[in-house]
Amino acid sequence: VLTQPPSMSVAPGQTARITCGGNNIAIKSVHWYQKRSGQAPALVLYDESDRPSGIPERFSGSKSGNTATLTISRVEAGDEADYYCQVWDTVTDQVVFGGGTQLTVL
Amino acid sequence: QVQLQESGPGLVKPSETLSLTCTVSGGSISSHVHYWGWIRQPPGKGLEWIGGIFHSGSTYDNEALKSRVTMSIDTSKNQCSLRLTSVTAADTAVYFCARHNHQLTGSPMDVWGKGITVTVSS
Repeated sequence: VLTQPPSMSVAPGQTARITCGGNNIAIKSVHWYQKRSGQAPALVLYDESDRPSGIPERFSGSKSGNTATLTISRVEAGDEADYYCQVWDTVTDQVVFGGGTQLTVL
Repeated sequence: QVQLQESGPGLVKPSETLSLTCTVSGGSISSHVHYWGWIRQPPGKGLEWIGGIFHSGSTYDNEALKSRVTMSIDTSKNQCSLRLTSVTAADTAVYFCARHNHQLTGSPMDVWGKGITVTVSS
């Protein structure tokens, strides 16, 4: 199970930090997806902190112990979306998603 | 640039079988570099992984759905397919197919289809 805060609000220009907690995350690769309403999910970070081509440097990631964090700096209105973390569970051999965090830009 | 497109009926009756196809364009579903996944999102809920399939046809499945799910791959049509049997209203969701960016099971999903809305209702 991956635990994320259900929601978060941040003003434009501020920093959003979205956490993802779970057992043994320390030894797993964590990926992050952005899902805007009515659109398909989009990969924004993989392996905790690597950005796919086209993702701004404002998106960064880290991991400490059993918590991974997606950080969005200088938040913009266009960042308003649901964000999901994801790992591969080696015990059950399954993809696992976090419950998602709804980011609201005030 | 690889693109994925889901297709299938938008309405399925309870107890019947949901069948969806994901067509790959701009790349090969036979790629030994990638594998393919199915994910769904029920209304108002989060993402739920359904399963993944490799070019060989081998699969990984969500344990909760495994008894009702069949995935297959048709290299001649550059497609993969999902069948979900004995559907109920709880299977109403937007269904996505996605590409894992390499063959390791822990790889991220870097290309997604736009999704298809499937409603289970009589």
